[in-house]
Amino acid sequence: KAGVTQTPRYLIKTRGQQVTLSCSPISGHRSVSWYQQTPGQGLQFLFEYFSETQRNKGNFPGRFSGRQFSNSRSEMNVSTLELGDSALYLCASSARDRRADTQYFGPGTRLTVL
Amino acid sequence: GQQLNQSPQSMFIQEGEDVSMNCTSSSIFNTWLWYKQDPGEGPVLLIALYKAGELTSNGRLTAQFGITRKDSFLNISASIPSDVGIYFCAGNTNAGKSTFGDGTTLTVKP
Repeated sequence: KAGVTQTPRYLIKTRGQQVTLSCSPISGHRSVSWYQQTPGQGLQFLFEYFSETQRNKGNFPGRFSGRQFSNSRSEMNVSTLELGDSALYLCASSARDRRADTQYFGPGTRLTVL
Repeated sequence: GQQLNQSPQSMFIQEGEDVSMNCTSSSIFNTWLWYKQDPGEGPVLLIALYKAGELTSNGRLTAQFGITRKDSFLNISASIPSDVGIYFCAGNTNAGKSTFGDGTTLTVKP
């Protein structure tokens, strides 16, 4: 099975711009979660989508939003970028069925805001 | 909210030595997971534990799900240079929420 894929791998934007990141989960997985990772901050949970519905949400401002499509692919959008948004953005997919709630991560998108 | 205390924060060891790291929580988890992350890449799943008391190995790695369901440890035997990276633990609840530790950074000196 192909793993979780994320595009693009690297992105450079300037303050005030907006950005959309994409994540394709492992085939058959219906849950996609997004995380922000910065040095010293660990993995910060953004949100989880399951069957096109946002199921869980972390403590991030409304500038961070996401959606999931019927094929389980997910996008994350950040509007009005700030310097502090520079980070590695990771998505993880899981089947979210009883024992099969293990998350598998993609390679991440490295976002740099100038 | 739930928090995981992962220790140690960092380790500097000699090649060939054994390594041990652990995660503890005040909350109960249904699943414990251990990941390894290389610089600039996403975390890769090493071991998944689904039952209290479960002891699982993956090559030189061994992990255990604590009996109280509030802790887990990961051991690496006979470390090699490619073991370098950041190791994360994660606990999953029944509600499907995942909580991650802050990571243990491992450095292996040849």
